[in-house]
Amino acid sequence: GAGVSQTPSNKVTEKGKYVELRCDPISGHTALYWYRQSLGQGPEFLIYFQGTGAADDSGLPNDRFFAVRPEGSVSTLKIQRTERGDSAVYLCASSSRQENTGELFFGEGSRLTVL
Amino acid sequence: KNEVEQSPQNLTAQEGEFITINCSYSVGISALHWLQQHPGGGIVSLFMLSSGKKKHGRLIATINIQEKHSSLHITASHPRDSAVYICAVTTMDSNYQLIWGAGTKLIIKP
Repeated sequence: GAGVSQTPSNKVTEKGKYVELRCDPISGHTALYWYRQSLGQGPEFLIYFQGTGAADDSGLPNDRFFAVRPEGSVSTLKIQRTERGDSAVYLCASSSRQENTGELFFGEGSRLTVL
Repeated sequence: KNEVEQSPQNLTAQEGEFITINCSYSVGISALHWLQQHPGGGIVSLFMLSSGKKKHGRLIATINIQEKHSSLHITASHPRDSAVYICAVTTMDSNYQLIWGAGTKLIIKP
């Protein structure tokens, strides 16, 4: 596709359930970022991939959160035992630059609601 | 004190007015980004600057590295420009992390 695609666009789940959010970056972009944005707040960094490896996962809030990018393209953010506080919009961005952030291209986000 | 500060926090203007949003930062940067976010929408990158000035349509972004200041201008503003405008910087210490400003909420009235 022409842009960064995120699915699902909306996800409603119950507390304690497992959730997967998918990001399909722009073809050829080696850098991929996950951010979380709560209502009225700025984006919060979660994890950065360069190729297949997680170059920095320091923003993941706890061990319930995990992300993979096995083939250096599509990435999946996985949240175990969801809590109400996990409700937010999860944003994915990709960039073509390997060093220094190039122009970032964001997806529309996945809105997660944990009941 | 935040490392990236934007002003104003909120701005309401009439259609057609010239808009200026300011961003000041206190760290050494390798790049500065201006981004746009519509209510309930995703984030769109408007500009990435490391020096000088860039123009795209009715949008102009400038940066003064010595003064650590950038401005985003909108000429002939239109209600569809209503959005949150965010300034973010990449520091020299990190080649990928962004430090985000708090955003400026712009409302253009018809």
